[in-house]
Amino acid sequence: EIVLTQSPTTMTASPGEKVTITCRASSSVSYMHWYQQKPGASPKPWIYETSKLASGVPDRFSGSGSGTSYSLTINNMEAEDAATYYCQQWNYPFTFGSGTKLEIK
Amino acid sequence: QVQLKESGPGLVQPSQTLSLTCTVSGLSLTSNSVSWIRQPPGKGLEWMGVIWSNGGTDYNSAIKSRLSISRDTSKSQVFLKMNSLQTEDTAMYFCARYWRYFDYWGQGVMVTVSS
Repeated sequence: EIVLTQSPTTMTASPGEKVTITCRASSSVSYMHWYQQKPGASPKPWIYETSKLASGVPDRFSGSGSGTSYSLTINNMEAEDAATYYCQQWNYPFTFGSGTKLEIK
Repeated sequence: QVQLKESGPGLVQPSQTLSLTCTVSGLSLTSNSVSWIRQPPGKGLEWMGVIWSNGGTDYNSAIKSRLSISRDTSKSQVFLKMNSLQTEDTAMYFCARYWRYFDYWGQGVMVTVSS
């Protein structure tokens, strides 16, 4: 089973700031997916296959990476981006990272 | 449009069996795969298992001995059964369609394991 380690666990960003969340895999994976979850809601697909934005996701979001290191980046943080983000690797068996809680200052 | 909706008891006693149903609309189970994913309060997501479009199943090895996933394609329903429940099984349980990633999710059903 591939273990995913996200960093940081929590972070606070100011409006307009650039944010980067990292996900490291214990073994090489082909793709990484990202989900956004807000309190009381189901997770939403956010970035799939490493760099493709899901429907409705603002283009200030981007994803990149390969092998064992992947990242989600937000250019110009906005208040609505405050949420918890989870990475998920596409190899079977599926596993999720432990999440990064992103708060707005 | 694609929709998934979980249903089941909110409270289960320790050592008992949990039975949940995921009712889907807008897609056929014979050509789509559905997973169960759970989330303990305040914690992260745990993939539990999947029933593939061909009816085959795969499970998280950590809970494989307690878990069974099945379906009724005529009713567009996917079922989860997990036995020997303990307090650590208290969680929100989600079903989600799997297509290279989990692209459609249900709203979830909260299950509390308590006497």
